[in-house]
Parts: sequence; structure tokens; C-alpha cells
Amino acid sequence: RKEVEQDPGPFNVPEGATVAFNCTYSNSASQSFFWYRQDCRKEPKLLMSVYSSGNEDGRFTAQLNRASQYISLLIRDSKLSDSATYLCVVGFNAGNMLTFGGGTRLMVKP
Amino acid sequence: GAVVSQHPSWVICKSGTSVKIECRSLDFQATTMFWYRQFPKQSLMLMATSNEGSKATYEQGVEKDKFLINHASLTLSTLTVTSAHPEDSSFYICSARRPPGVGPDEKLFFGSGTQLSVL
Repeated sequence: RKEVEQDPGPFNVPEGATVAFNCTYSNSASQSFFWYRQDCRKEPKLLMSVYSSGNEDGRFTAQLNRASQYISLLIRDSKLSDSATYLCVVGFNAGNMLTFGGGTRLMVKP
Repeated sequence: GAVVSQHPSWVICKSGTSVKIECRSLDFQATTMFWYRQFPKQSLMLMATSNEGSKATYEQGVEKDKFLINHASLTLSTLTVTSAHPEDSSFYICSARRPPGVGPDEKLFFGSGTQLSVL
């Protein structure tokens, strides 16, 4: 079993749609959780950290369920520019060790 | 601007040659840098942790004699792919962790990546 698992997609959605991604992790000692966005052959860029209480940044909402060991990302009102691969990242050892999920590809179409 | 600079962006080389990739932290001193490899349509896989002034820590299955890492200063780590072969063709990315208290929340910064193609 992979340490961090994601549905690879692709998720094909029309502009304006709401889309949700889930991610599960196996290490119960994980301490930090992030969503990164990666465009093709580019470096990952931090989208948002994920906190136990859940957090929102504009159209993006992230939630963490420690009991079930999963993280979610909700994107509302999808834009064409949201098309990318979204990486679920789980950290431990004070963030010094990060494990990346395989990524979920999103394609937003007009 | 970029906080971590990675060079070169693209490398095409013949089989058997060695390729050096540089990763520099521009705004902070990084005692630890990380090297990743990403094959097409796959996620980033950690290859090794580069520690300033000491030997790198390699992940299981990564050949340390093939992927030489040098972290001689607090702002520079290099990855050398020795005797490269076509199966080494991949996207290599470095990252550096900014120490706590130096800046805002985001602590891990990535280089822009190096696409290596071995003919």
C-alpha cells in the first residue's frame, strides 16, 4: 500500500463546477499536511496547508480527518487556470520528511 | 522572484556522460536540501536528503555512487548523475527548507526542475 494515495484522475469538469479530491495516508504519526499544485514539467507550488479545523482560501477549502487518515480539497467555481495536477503531501519529523501522493489531474474545460 | 534556483533547466546528453545539476537557496541558508526525481505521469520520489557539511542520506533503492550529492555550502547543493543512461532520463527537482522564524509560513521551496534526456 502506498503511503499517500490519490485518485490519479483525470477529472474533467466544466468551468464553474465544483470538484473535490480526496487523499488517504497510512502513517498515523504524520504531523503536517499540504496540497501542492504542479503544472506540467514545473516545480510544485504550495496551494495551502491543511489544518485539523479545516481551512479555506478563496475558492479552495481543505479538510483533514485524522481519525480516518484522509485529506480533502474542494475547489468551487472552477476556472480554466485551475487545470493542473494536485499533489497531496504528508509530512512528519517536523516537516523535514515529506511524502508526495501520486497526484490528481484536473482538467477544466470551457 | 525565485527563492531556490536550479540550473540547468534542460539537459540533453549522450549515454555515458556525467551531468551536474545545481540547486541554490537565494534568500536563506539551507542546512538541508532534498533531491527528487519524477517520471512522466508519476509523483515526486525523494532520492536523497543533502546535508551541509556531511554525507547525503539516500533513500532505499537509490544508488549513491551513481547519484553523487555534494552540499559544500549553506546555499548550494549539487547532484551529479554519473555515467548517465537512457533510463536516467527524468525530471529532477530540488527543494530547500527555510529555517523557522526566517520568513512567513511556507518553509519548503522548490527549484524549477531539470529535465534530463539521455540519448
